[in-house]
Amino acid sequence: EVQLVESGGGLVQPGRSLRLSCAASGFTFDDHAMHWVRQAPGKGLEWVSGLSWNSGSLGYADSVKGRFTISRDNAKNSLYLQMNSLRTEDTALYYCVRDMGPHFDWRPLDYWGQGTLVTVSS
Amino acid sequence: DIQMTQSPSSLSASVGDRVTITCRASQSINNYLNWYQQKPGKAPKLLIYSASTLQSGVPSRFSGSGSGTDFTLTISSLQPEDFASYYCQQSYRIFTFGPGTKVDIK
Repeated sequence: EVQLVESGGGLVQPGRSLRLSCAASGFTFDDHAMHWVRQAPGKGLEWVSGLSWNSGSLGYADSVKGRFTISRDNAKNSLYLQMNSLRTEDTALYYCVRDMGPHFDWRPLDYWGQGTLVTVSS
Repeated sequence: DIQMTQSPSSLSASVGDRVTITCRASQSINNYLNWYQQKPGKAPKLLIYSASTLQSGVPSRFSGSGSGTDFTLTISSLQPEDFASYYCQQSYRIFTFGPGTKVDIK
């Protein structure tokens, strides 16, 4: 069974940093590109960042470019999101999401974790 | 960025009803259109990809159609477990999602 378990969320002040982690199991992690997608409370879905199976190709939404860094450790079956210079508008539930394919080429997102909540507030 | 719109934003329906949700892209996306279902407090679930391909394990009462800029999700006979929000997403370029359609009980 595919499982994606996010951690690392919490309450943080504007301007501070937070690192999210996602532990993957039940599938061959390095066969898939991975993404982070967020959902502000009561709002819709927004793609944040994604990277290919070997980290050779990656991308960011304009809203987080230059502040967030995505990475993965295939030996640990883990995905990460380093979030710096956090803003109140970054408040959201952050989902770790599996891509159908190995490359960062906009394939469907076929498995989602349950999310970790990030609240940016003073 | 490619903008996605959905209509209606919400609808009320009864068990057994046929339900159709429409999604429109701001430019042609060929058939790079996916549909997700999200129940309250749960993560989204992929229902349909490439406009009309049913994801494994998804009931056959769900179907998708369209290409270019206009797409539809149809539930042929609404079941109690189908009351949820539905999002379209384009995967032609940088992912963007529609604003969602909430389906609730009449």
